Parts: sequence; C-alpha cells; structure tokens
Amino acid sequence: DAGVIQSPRHEVTEMGQEVTLRCKPISGHDYLFWYRQTMMRGLELLIYFNNNVPIDDSGMPEDRFSAKMPNASFSTLKIQPSEPRDSAVYFCASATTFYNEQFFGPGTRLTVL
Amino acid sequence: GENVEQHPSTLSVQEGDSAVIKCTYSDSASNYFPWYKQELGKGPQLIIDIRSNVGEKKDQRIAVTLNKTAKHFSLHITETQPEDSAVYFCAASFRNTGKLIFGQGTTLQVKP
Repeated sequence: DAGVIQSPRHEVTEMGQEVTLRCKPISGHDYLFWYRQTMMRGLELLIYFNNNVPIDDSGMPEDRFSAKMPNASFSTLKIQPSEPRDSAVYFCASATTFYNEQFFGPGTRLTVL
Repeated sequence: GENVEQHPSTLSVQEGDSAVIKCTYSDSASNYFPWYKQELGKGPQLIIDIRSNVGEKKDQRIAVTLNKTAKHFSLHITETQPEDSAVYFCAASFRNTGKLIFGQGTTLQVKP
C-alpha cells in the first residue's frame, strides 16, 4: 500500500481565497483524522470520521473550516475564506480501529498571504 | 479540559547516551499512550505505544513506562544514534473516544 496520500503537498494562496486539501486514507482503515500543526499550538485534532461519518468536529476552529468524506477512499478539508492565521501544516491520518496506530500522510504545507 | 504536558522541549545528548522524555496527562480515563517520531518534512510515525493494563513495554532500544496513579509516562531511548535525531510526541487517548491529545513535542539532537 502507498500509505496515506495527501495533495497538494504545498499550497500558497491569498487571503480570502478558498483552499481545498485532499486525503486518500489507507484502504481498509475505518478511521480518518485531520490534524493541524503549528509552532504555537503543536499538533491539534480538527475532526475525525468513522466509516465516513464525522464523529467529533470540536477541534474545527470556526465555520470557515469544513470537512467531508464522501466515500471510504477520499476526504477533503476546505477553508473558505482563508486567512493568514490558517497557515500551517495539515496532516491526514488513518487507522483501523480505536487505539491502534494512526498512519499519517506527508502533510500539506499551507501558506496564506 | 484534556491536556498532555511534555518535557523537555529540547534535548541534546551524545551518541551512545540515553535519552528520556516525560509526559503527564490530565484525563484519568485515558488508557492508550502512543509515542510518535517526526522527521523533518514528514508526518509523525508511531514508534511504540502502551495501554493502561501494562506498566512497561520495550522494543529493542526503545522503552516506555506508565504510572497510571501519577498519570505520567516516559519514553526511554538507550544507545542513541544520530538517526534518532527528530521531534518526538507523546499522546494520550481522550476518554472512550478515538481522539488523541498530543504533547507539545521534544526535539532530540544526538551528537556524533
């Protein structure tokens, strides 16, 4: 398996633009997680899905952020409109069950100017 | 609220020495404690984990200890090598959910 796949790897955009980050989890994994990593706040869980259903979105910072998982092999994280403070590395991870290894993707480095 | 504190934030050791990183957690219901290693430009990767019914676990040069009473757990790396240089994160499960709360990370530098 190729592991968790994220695209794009780098995204530079201007304030106010819509940004869409994509993730393909490992086949057979029922859990998908979206994290944000910054120097100030570390690694924060934004939202996670179980069997394509959002379970906990309490980490989503505000209404500008939304996430979907239309099927077992694809998820998106959308920011609209983007702001400079959204600049961070966004990771997607997947896992088979609770309390098992989460496999992280390579991340998307987002820069909002 | 849920919280995991990790110390130290940076650690520099000589090759061959041991390194110890410590974490404390606040949620008494936590029962899963993984450790992740993150190399530059990559996503975190699990190196070892421990569950609440076990006090210690070893995997070659890496060991983790858990004290549930005191709510702290530690990572021990023996015979460190330059390739151990990375950022290490501890994490604790949050109650009975699939959510992990991560520590702030420890940057380990192993000097040749």
